[in-house]
Amino acid sequence: DTGVSQNPRHKITKRGQNVTFRCDPISEHNRLYWYRQTLGQGPEFLTYFQNEAQLEKSRLLSDRFSAERPKGSFSTLEIQRTEQGDSAMYLCASSLSGFEPQHFGDGTRLSIL
Amino acid sequence: SQKIEQNSEALNIQEGKTATLTCNYTNYSPAYLQWYRQDPGRGPVFLLLIRENEKEKRKERLKVTFDTTLKQSLFHITASQPADSATYLCALDPHSGGYQKVTFGTGTKLQVIP
Repeated sequence: DTGVSQNPRHKITKRGQNVTFRCDPISEHNRLYWYRQTLGQGPEFLTYFQNEAQLEKSRLLSDRFSAERPKGSFSTLEIQRTEQGDSAMYLCASSLSGFEPQHFGDGTRLSIL
Repeated sequence: SQKIEQNSEALNIQEGKTATLTCNYTNYSPAYLQWYRQDPGRGPVFLLLIRENEKEKRKERLKVTFDTTLKQSLFHITASQPADSATYLCALDPHSGGYQKVTFGTGTKLQVIP
């Protein structure tokens, strides 16, 4: 069990640029989740996958955000045309199945200049 | 509207004492409730899960209670240590149609003073 891995750990970019984050879940976990967390707040749900199928997207996930999980393994989260308000920690989590605890990575911190 | 409330104020406690953190919720009927620990710059780490038909759960120095009538969970750390200093998050699954969609509170920052 190597845990959930997220890359990069930090990303600094200019407003208007596109960014992509990667998440490698625990290998046998079917479910994968993306959250966003800002200072002083708890993680906010963005989207979740059951294997390769994206089953739910939050209203927070605007058209500029897209997530994929090809082949049901790693996942990517892309933000197009970044805005100042996108600055946050983006967390990925995985779980073996529903109603099981989630295992989080240490996140990617995005800073928009 | 649905709301999860945790003490927004930091909780300072003397080493060796019992820390008690509160999680209140409104307009939820959670199937279960979870507690996580988060250290600065790190992702949350799962601690305990308690189901709606359970009143209490223990793990080493940790104890969680779940009162669905009061819509409240209490999280206790006995014999607290400086290493317990962190932010503690409660999370609910709002019976979301058979799949897991967890909603987190804002967390309570615990500081254990030596």
